[in-house]
Amino acid sequence: DSGVTQTPKHLITATGQRVTLRCSPRSGDLSVYWYQQSLDQGLQFLIQYYNGEERAKGNILERFSAQQFPDLHSELNLSSLELGDSALYFCASSRTPGGGYTFGSGTRLTVV
Amino acid sequence: GESVGLHLPTLSVQEGDNSIINCAYSNSASDYFIWYKQESGKGPQFIIDIRSNMDKRQGQRVTVLLNKTVKHLSLQIAATQPGDSAVYFCAENLVQGAQKLVFGQGTRLTINP
Repeated sequence: DSGVTQTPKHLITATGQRVTLRCSPRSGDLSVYWYQQSLDQGLQFLIQYYNGEERAKGNILERFSAQQFPDLHSELNLSSLELGDSALYFCASSRTPGGGYTFGSGTRLTVV
Repeated sequence: GESVGLHLPTLSVQEGDNSIINCAYSNSASDYFIWYKQESGKGPQFIIDIRSNMDKRQGQRVTVLLNKTVKHLSLQIAATQPGDSAVYFCAENLVQGAQKLVFGQGTRLTINP
């Protein structure tokens, strides 16, 4: 157990729908990062939060949004889902921005 | 653009042999590098890191080498074991305003018995 908790582990939904992925960072970590990993691909950076504020954005689609709450957990919202959004979504946390990341076990999203 | 690439997408080695996984990075402003191991169905797991002011760092059975002149990073795994079979990613801490880790595509390491 890495200390980073992601729920749900698996999610199957239809095109056009909206889902919310949740991440609880490791205790004491203030930064949360979201990554997308398509089949046999690398990890694509989506967005970073630090202590509730957005710090960096990567190749995140406009249909996707995220936030970090006062208790530091984070949610990634994916809307108007398309087949191509099927992927593993990982959350990672670190004590400081740019420090070593600890990853959760991911949420596998399947859009049918 | 931002990219961290790997020379070989797959690597097969015999159990007990040493393995070397290579990585080229593109951003000279990166100051911190990490190797991650990802087993099937799991999240990436930290293996070893190195700061840009170092050229070598050793861990347990792993060594990371950094050559800033040619922007090259490598991971050496000694006496490979079946449990070393996984995909290995290098990542660089990109410092352009906010900091973020940029990952390469990964190398799949297979250990043959």
